[in-house]
Amino acid sequence: ETGVTQSPTHLIKTRGQQVTLRCSSQSGHNTVSWYQQALGQGPQFIFQYYREEENGRGNFPPRFSGLQFPNYSSELNVNALELDDSALYLCASSFRDWSGGAEDEQFFGPGTRLTVL
Amino acid sequence: AQSVTQPDIHITVSEGASLELRCNYSYGATPYLFWYVQSPGQGLQLLLKYFSGDTLVQGIKGFEAEFKRSQSSFNLRKPSVHWSDAAEYFCAVGGNDMRFGAGTRLTVKP
Repeated sequence: ETGVTQSPTHLIKTRGQQVTLRCSSQSGHNTVSWYQQALGQGPQFIFQYYREEENGRGNFPPRFSGLQFPNYSSELNVNALELDDSALYLCASSFRDWSGGAEDEQFFGPGTRLTVL
Repeated sequence: AQSVTQPDIHITVSEGASLELRCNYSYGATPYLFWYVQSPGQGLQLLLKYFSGDTLVQGIKGFEAEFKRSQSSFNLRKPSVHWSDAAEYFCAVGGNDMRFGAGTRLTVKP
């Protein structure tokens, strides 16, 4: 069983640029959540994708956007990067039944470390 | 709104000593509760979870946690700490939009 994978591992961008982070969900999972973890803090929920649609969003501006593909992999896009966007970005996958019922536990990837200069 | 508080930013214990990490939550309904561990530069590993049923939950690596609804708490315990337990520990609540505490850093003295 392949776990959650994320790419790239590390990334350095400059202010104002755009970035795309990628996540492959664990086999059998259909739901992907993204979190931002700033240094010394707990992860903060960005959004979740279920059946290729956004299914909940945290307190993040619209320049944070995402996609989920038919194979349940996902992308996180951040436009107009700011210095405060420097963080570890974590992807988590889980399984939700098709009636939209309760979600099973989330499994986390190793994260992408983004540095904005 | 759901939230999680971990009152202790940093805890130091001696190897072999017992450990308790505190977690208090705020949630409108019966919460889903989790404890995760994170080693430096790594993702999060689930230690244990509580969805319903028995309020004492056993997890991996010898950890356990007790759900106390009256105190809105879900404290993590381990009877004897090993040097390899040194890490950051996060308590989390919720389902779709999981809310994490700020974490407790555990240092283990030899």
